Amino acid sequence: GAGVSQSPSNKVTEKGKDVELRCDPISGHTALYWYRQSLGQGLEFLIYFQGNSAPDKSGLPSDRFSAERTGGSVSTLTIQRTQQEDSAVYLCASSPRPFSTDTQYFGPGTRLTVL
Amino acid sequence: GQQLNQSPQSMFIQEGEDVSMNCTSSSIFNTWLWYKQDPGEGPVLLIALYKAGELTSNGRLTAQFGITRKDSFLNISASIPSDVGIYFCAGLVNNAGNMLTFGGGTRLMVKP
Repeated sequence: GAGVSQSPSNKVTEKGKDVELRCDPISGHTALYWYRQSLGQGLEFLIYFQGNSAPDKSGLPSDRFSAERTGGSVSTLTIQRTQQEDSAVYLCASSPRPFSTDTQYFGPGTRLTVL
Repeated sequence: GQQLNQSPQSMFIQEGEDVSMNCTSSSIFNTWLWYKQDPGEGPVLLIALYKAGELTSNGRLTAQFGITRKDSFLNISASIPSDVGIYFCAGLVNNAGNMLTFGGGTRLMVKP
């Protein structure tokens, strides 16, 4: 079946512009995660959605970052007034059930470059 | 925040050799996971460990959950060229949060 998809695969933007990154989780998965991966680094947790519960935003690095998950499915990560340090690969993962650490399926990521 | 120290950062080995990499933490984790990431792809889960002292194998891969719950290692036996990639350890503190803390990765290069 279809895996987690993300779009765009690459995004180049100018400093100060806003960007939106999209994640389509695997159908039926209730949990959705966003991570950020800087060049040569491990993944850094950003935000977690579980069903209709309030999202866990504890990993968002600043108030320029926000995310929504509409209808319990597609999620959009928005970065306002982008800075060069925002350049990274943004990875989305979904999981079929809550508290299920071994079934987080990752998408291919969106590579964001801020000039 | 919590950090996982993963070593080595990179390895360049001959095909057929065995490989070992490890992660350590100053904090206790309840779950340890090992992922592999190929270029342009998201990480793919290799092995999940849930109990201190647990030793689990997946083909040529073997991983252990340290008895102190503060470390884990991954071994790859008889490496082949397709083992090339970046390997990440990840830990989970509590199941309620379900947020993974990742190590910095080990870049593996295999010479045929």
